[in-house]
Amino acid sequence: QSVLTQPPSVSAAPGQKVTISCSASSSNIGNNYVSWYQQLPGTAPKLLIYDNNQRPSGIPDRFSGSKSGTSATLGIAGLQTGDEADYYCGTWDSSLSTWVFGGGTKLTVL
Amino acid sequence: EVLLLESGGGLVQPGGSLRLSCAASGFTFSNYAMTWVRQAPGQGLEWVSAISGIDAGTFYADSVKGRFTISRDNSKNTLYLQMNSLRAEDTAIYYCVKVQEGVGASDYYMHVWGKGTTVTVSS
Repeated sequence: QSVLTQPPSVSAAPGQKVTISCSASSSNIGNNYVSWYQQLPGTAPKLLIYDNNQRPSGIPDRFSGSKSGTSATLGIAGLQTGDEADYYCGTWDSSLSTWVFGGGTKLTVL
Repeated sequence: EVLLLESGGGLVQPGGSLRLSCAASGFTFSNYAMTWVRQAPGQGLEWVSAISGIDAGTFYADSVKGRFTISRDNSKNTLYLQMNSLRAEDTAIYYCVKVQEGVGASDYYMHVWGKGTTVTVSS
């Protein structure tokens, strides 16, 4: 069972916006930085958001991140069929000296 | 360009051993922490182990502690994962990942991922 809780799936139509939540069962998110990863079907994960809300170079500004207290949120605007993927949140739990991932959320663009 | 190339995966019997390698290029390997992340078939991501860059401090998930050993050879730009006493539940794709430190305290994220190597534990 993941320490970080994500909805198993979300869906929306092309062009719309969707949000994916990531909530903590302990203080790990509250005290540390959250990152988000996109895993397209059959490929390795890729960094999407780091430091709660920063985008690496090459990531479109349709992708956004935020954090409040012990919850984080990934936003994807202007949905495209190519955004269909699994999305994972993660953080370094400094109190446990372990990395923790959310269980992942499957995005379907209808 | 940062490249991470894993190797060493394969089929092994329960109780057996395997050593994974990850050849890194495109960055100063010794300056960065590295980590292994695995993904069982049809499942989510699971962090396995990490090693810091300079002092080679190591960290493990409880599920592999005492069975797996992470190490690095900075002269060869290579990361390793020695896996002993393998179990069926260790079956997964194993990803080698470069860790980036952010600006804050305990601020880390998984910057670049390799394509993975598949480990199958079965009799």
